[in-house]
Amino acid sequence: SQQGEEDPQALSIQEGENATMNCSYKTSINNLQWYRQNSGRGLVHLILIRSNEREKHSGRLRVTLDTSKKSSSLLITASRAADTASYFCATDRLYTGRRALTFGSGTRLQVQP
Amino acid sequence: DSGVTQTPKHLITATGQRVTLRCSPRSGDLSVYWYQQSLDQGLQFLIHYYNGEERAKGNILERFSAQQFPDLHSELNLSSLELGDSALYFCASSVATLNTEAFFGQGTRLTVV
Repeated sequence: SQQGEEDPQALSIQEGENATMNCSYKTSINNLQWYRQNSGRGLVHLILIRSNEREKHSGRLRVTLDTSKKSSSLLITASRAADTASYFCATDRLYTGRRALTFGSGTRLQVQP
Repeated sequence: DSGVTQTPKHLITATGQRVTLRCSPRSGDLSVYWYQQSLDQGLQFLIHYYNGEERAKGNILERFSAQQFPDLHSELNLSSLELGDSALYFCASSVATLNTEAFFGQGTRLTVV
C-alpha cells in the first residue's frame, strides 16, 4: 500500500488561481517531501519539511505539515500554465526495519491559460 | 540536468528476455534508489542501496535484482520479462540515506512485447 496518498487525484484550474494538493500518510515520518513530474520525465524536488516543522515556503510554494493528522498540503499560488504537471508527496517509510523514500500516487494538475 | 544518468533511455524487448538498466548517480551521492512507474501510476519503490550495500527492499519481484558497484553506479536486472513489466524505471540518488532530497534520472522506458 502507498505510504503517501495525494488528494485530489486530478485538479484543473485557471491561470492565476491557487492550487492546493493534500497528502496523507499512515506511519511516523522524519520528513515529508514534495516533487514535481512533467509528463514522462524524471521527478524534480520542490521542498522538504521536517517532522518538527509546521510550515515552509519556497517562492510561490507553501507546504504545511500536521503530524497529529498525518497530513501535508502543498499550495501553489498564482498558478501558471507552466505549473501543469503531476505532484507527488514522498515520505521515509519503513521497509523491513529500514526507511526508504516512498511516493504516493500523485495529483495531476492542469493549469488552463 | 539532475546529474543522474540512466541508460538506455528506451528499451524494447520480448517476453521472457532479460535486460539490464544502468544508473550513474550524481558525483558524491552514496544512495541510489530504483522505482518503477507504470502508465499514469505513482512510483513503486523497488530497492535502495547505500555505499554498495542494500539498505531497503520494497515491492521488487524475485525476477528482478540490483546491485551497486564500488564506483557507486548501480544496475537493475530484470529477467523472465512479462508484458506487465512494461514501465518507466527511474533511478534516484541522494547524498545520504534520509532527510535529503533525491535527484532523479530521466528514466528508462521499457516496453515488453
